[in-house]
Amino acid sequence: AQSVTQLGSHVSVSEGALVLLRCNYSSSVPPYLFWYVQYPNQGLQLLLKYTTGATLVKGINGFEAEFKKSETSFHLTKPSAHMSDAAEYFCAVSDRTGNTGKLIFGQGTTLQVKP
Amino acid sequence: DSGVTQTPKHLITATGQRVTLRCSPRSGDLSVYWYQQSLDQGLQFLIQYYNGEERAKGNILERFSAQQFPDLHSELNLSSLELGDSALYFCASSVEQWNTEAFFGQGTRLTVV
Repeated sequence: AQSVTQLGSHVSVSEGALVLLRCNYSSSVPPYLFWYVQYPNQGLQLLLKYTTGATLVKGINGFEAEFKKSETSFHLTKPSAHMSDAAEYFCAVSDRTGNTGKLIFGQGTTLQVKP
Repeated sequence: DSGVTQTPKHLITATGQRVTLRCSPRSGDLSVYWYQQSLDQGLQFLIQYYNGEERAKGNILERFSAQQFPDLHSELNLSSLELGDSALYFCASSVEQWNTEAFFGQGTRLTVV
């Protein structure tokens, strides 16, 4: 079975500091991985995705993530946090074992950005 | 704006009642998904339809049902509602039926009182 674990339900950084949100996955097949962001009272917005190819993927709003197969990780980073980055972030893996489009989500990490 | 439209945005209803949540997918998307987001369970997959056919089922309660119509919009029906059904219900859509990102609507917040 596939699963996703997000380490840290709450991360707090200062404005301008590095953002690092951790995601580890478990998958019996090569995974397709995603990061979504949810702003208050909003739906989920796709930040970036990894399917195949280059392991460092760039997304919107200056975010990027690196797929590391040896560590089964897909951590999300941003060099310099902005106040507008405060939101909840979800890592997800596509269920490739059942030939469906189902996404399996982690529990989410709330990012707080302090001025 | 993801292009996925959900109505209504908010719904307050009493226990035992039945409600219908509606979703219009992005133009051109054939797959529709329903997810439930609650504080204790997080984001849980409920069901997927692809071009009118049920494609995958998650931990969807028997009191819940869904369908996708020929115009590709979808409805999620929740019946015999309980307090624990209070949650945010998201619809998402994608072009493909598997191995693809999904685009989410803004959700319907259901409160059962």
